[in-house]
Amino acid sequence: EVQLVESGGGFVQPGGSLRLSCVASGFSFSTYWIHWFRLAPGKGLLWVSRIRYDGRVTNYADFVKGRFTLSRDNAKNTVYLQMNSLRAEDSAVYFCARDLHIVATDFWGQGTRVTVSS
Amino acid sequence: QSVLTQPPSVSGGPGQKVTISCSGGTSDIGDNYVSWYQHFPGAVPRLLIYDNDKRPSGISDRFSGSKSGTSATLVIAGLQAGDEADYYCGTWDSRLSAGVFGGGTKVTV
Repeated sequence: EVQLVESGGGFVQPGGSLRLSCVASGFSFSTYWIHWFRLAPGKGLLWVSRIRYDGRVTNYADFVKGRFTLSRDNAKNTVYLQMNSLRAEDSAVYFCARDLHIVATDFWGQGTRVTVSS
Repeated sequence: QSVLTQPPSVSGGPGQKVTISCSGGTSDIGDNYVSWYQHFPGAVPRLLIYDNDKRPSGISDRFSGSKSGTSATLVIAGLQAGDEADYYCGTWDSRLSAGVFGGGTKVTV
């Protein structure tokens, strides 16, 4: 069974950092791109970032570029989203998802909530 | 402000058909495949359509997608109460090298 489990969310002050993890199981992790999305009330679904199966290619949405870094450890079946210089507008539930094609993704985790507030 | 433009809401009666539009530009929809997601509050978004018009396994054929030029369309036929949700279109932007989504459309039955 394909599973993705996010963790690492929490409460942080503006300017702070968090590292989210996404642990995968049930499929050949090292052959898939992994995406991150976020959902916030009133802001809709937003694509955040993606990382290629070998970790050598990453892409970011403009609103996180330079602040967020995506990496992966295929030996641990884990993707990491390092989030720095967090802003209030980054508050959202963050999801990792397995790539199907382009921005189509077929399996999602349950999400981890990030709250940025003073 | 979202890169792709969707109507904020659409509505229809049970059994009717609703159409959700998604408008973009030459570097996004005009240059890449479109996907559609369904999202119920508190749940995980679900892929309805990918590659413009393909349905993943398990998705009802009441949902169909199409693309023409820089616009895409999701059609929900035989509308049911359980279709009340938010629907998002998304694609890749070749200029930004990033995924882009619409602001979402709330479907009311």
